[in-house]
Amino acid sequence: NAGVTQTPKFQVLKTGQSMTLQCAQDMNHEYMSWYRQDPGMGLRLIHYSVGAGITDQGEVPNGYNVSRSTTEDFPLRLLSAAPSQTSVYFCASSGLAVYEQYFGPGTRLTVT
Amino acid sequence: AQSVTQPDIHITVSEGASLELRCNYSYGATPYLFWYVQSPGQGLQLLLKYFSGDTLVQGIKGFEAEFKRSQSSFNLRKPSVHWSDAAEYFCAVGSDSNYQLIWGAGTKLIIKP
Repeated sequence: NAGVTQTPKFQVLKTGQSMTLQCAQDMNHEYMSWYRQDPGMGLRLIHYSVGAGITDQGEVPNGYNVSRSTTEDFPLRLLSAAPSQTSVYFCASSGLAVYEQYFGPGTRLTVT
Repeated sequence: AQSVTQPDIHITVSEGASLELRCNYSYGATPYLFWYVQSPGQGLQLLLKYFSGDTLVQGIKGFEAEFKRSQSSFNLRKPSVHWSDAAEYFCAVGSDSNYQLIWGAGTKLIIKP
């Protein structure tokens, strides 16, 4: 039981490049979320999903896309990277206890 | 709108001393409240939660928190901190609109030897 896994751990992008951050969970959780963490700002919700095929926007969705084709996977796509997207990104999942979220180890993204 | 405030950005405590981290929330009804901990370079881990009932809740690693409705607070406490408690602590409230969490900005705990 690996819990929530994220790849890659570190990534450097140039402005304008696109990439996908991967997130997978093996706990059969319906709820999955993507956050970004910036110093002094806590966690801000980017997108979330309440089940396969269902996604919705969070607080800061601009510049990001998500899809949820399976229960296990919830990839986050950066369409055209900007320096303002330099951050640490966390994926989380939760089951029936929807507020009890399990977090992945994070992806540290730098956009130059 | 629901919100969470953690007034202290940093707290420095000597090893063995007691700890209290403050959390205030704004919410009309009885909130679902949480404390999470983030060790350096790691993801977040749930410390404890409050849904209803006894206002003093126990969590993992010897932490407890007390819900005080009159003060809209949910402060985290530990009687004696250990160097391994150095981390960032986040308070959160459950949103009533989308089953997501609304987060405070976090308090970084520094332990003096």
